[in-house]
Amino acid sequence: QKEVEQDPGPLSVPEGAIVSLNCTYSNSAFQYFMWYRQYSRKGPELLMYTYSSGNKEDGRFTAQVDKSSKYISLFIRDSQPSDSATYLCAMTHSGAGSYQLTFGKGTKLSVIP
Amino acid sequence: NAGVMQNPRHLVRRRGQEARLRCSPMKGHSHVYWYRQLPEEGLKFMVYLQKENIIDESGMPKERFSAEFPKEGPSILRIQQVVRGDSAAYFCASSLGQQETQYFGPGTRLLVL
Repeated sequence: QKEVEQDPGPLSVPEGAIVSLNCTYSNSAFQYFMWYRQYSRKGPELLMYTYSSGNKEDGRFTAQVDKSSKYISLFIRDSQPSDSATYLCAMTHSGAGSYQLTFGKGTKLSVIP
Repeated sequence: NAGVMQNPRHLVRRRGQEARLRCSPMKGHSHVYWYRQLPEEGLKFMVYLQKENIIDESGMPKERFSAEFPKEGPSILRIQQVVRGDSAAYFCASSLGQQETQYFGPGTRLLVL
């Protein structure tokens, strides 16, 4: 079993839809959770960072963490064509070696005008 | 306000040649990380360096791969005697401190013929 599982998609939605992206993980030591957005042929760009169970909102984006289920989600409201990208979840633990981010494979999202 | 810079963006090598990938961190950042993204895989941590020091190279293949971050100049990831399996996107990230957010460069896409 991989440490982080993420459905690679592709996921195609109409403009304005609510998008739900998810990752599950097996390592209970993971305490910090991130979502990165990666446009084609570009580097990952940090979107959201959270470390506690519950929701964190930033504009149209909401990150949700459920540590008891080892499950994290990213919701995108009122999706736009410019949101079309690959979304990577990443996570790490506290303490020694916490700089080593563990990534999911990424979910490719297309928002159709 | 330049971000993380990587060059070249694309690199083609024949089997047995050497590949040198360069990374200039964001201004003021002294912590550099290299990740590799194989086709259909998530980013995998390779090595963590600070100026003139390798802090953690636990993700680096034992042979043919080396990394450095000299006092002056960019960080270099060097792959000797490349093989087809080395074909991947190599991303560099930098941070202000060990526990701080990692900012990624655009990557170098290595193709080994």
